[in-house]
Amino acid sequence: QKEVEQNSGPLSVPEGAIASLNCTYSDRGSQSFFWYRQYSGKSPELIMFIYSNGDKEDGRFTAQLNKASQYVSLLIRDSQPSDSATYLCAVKDPNNNDMRFGAGTRLTVKP
Amino acid sequence: DAGVTQSPTHLIKTRGQQVTLRCSPKSGHDTVSWYQQALGQGPQFIFQYYEEEERQRGNFPDRFSGHQFPNYSSELNVNALLLGDSALYLCASSLGDRDVYSPLHFGNGTRLTVT
Repeated sequence: QKEVEQNSGPLSVPEGAIASLNCTYSDRGSQSFFWYRQYSGKSPELIMFIYSNGDKEDGRFTAQLNKASQYVSLLIRDSQPSDSATYLCAVKDPNNNDMRFGAGTRLTVKP
Repeated sequence: DAGVTQSPTHLIKTRGQQVTLRCSPKSGHDTVSWYQQALGQGPQFIFQYYEEEERQRGNFPDRFSGHQFPNYSSELNVNALLLGDSALYLCASSLGDRDVYSPLHFGNGTRLTVT
């Protein structure tokens, strides 16, 4: 079974701090990695994707990928209360092209 | 540009009954995937449809079946409902069943409660 692992949290950070969310995956052949945000009772919303080793920045969000360590992370700078949500890490199976999700990390940003 | 639409929003069924959930993909997308999300869990892959065929399937019993129509819309059918089938059912669309870089776009989901 190809796994995507995340710390379930909850992760609590003060407003304005950096939130760091981590994810590991088991299939070394994986090529594409996604971060989704899910507010309570809502559906997942794509916020970042990354394919190459290194960092990718989009506004307050930075995705980091290390294929050798099979590790993906998401940094949220200047965290806001509106960032409070569950963050889902997802990896596409390179053989089947279906997307596998971690259990999600619940983030709370306290004012 | 219409996003992914799902119907109904909520559904309450009794054990043993059958249910059909519907999904229209985002405009321009041709691939539909279905996921089950239990409370506090990540989405679990049920199956994927492309060119009106089931292309991939997750670890779900045959009670779960689907269909894709020529206009790319899709249905998820669940027979002989169990209490454990209570979950949020998510439909996601994407472009191409072989594009490893294509992200999924989700609909708002159908909340199924089995009593």
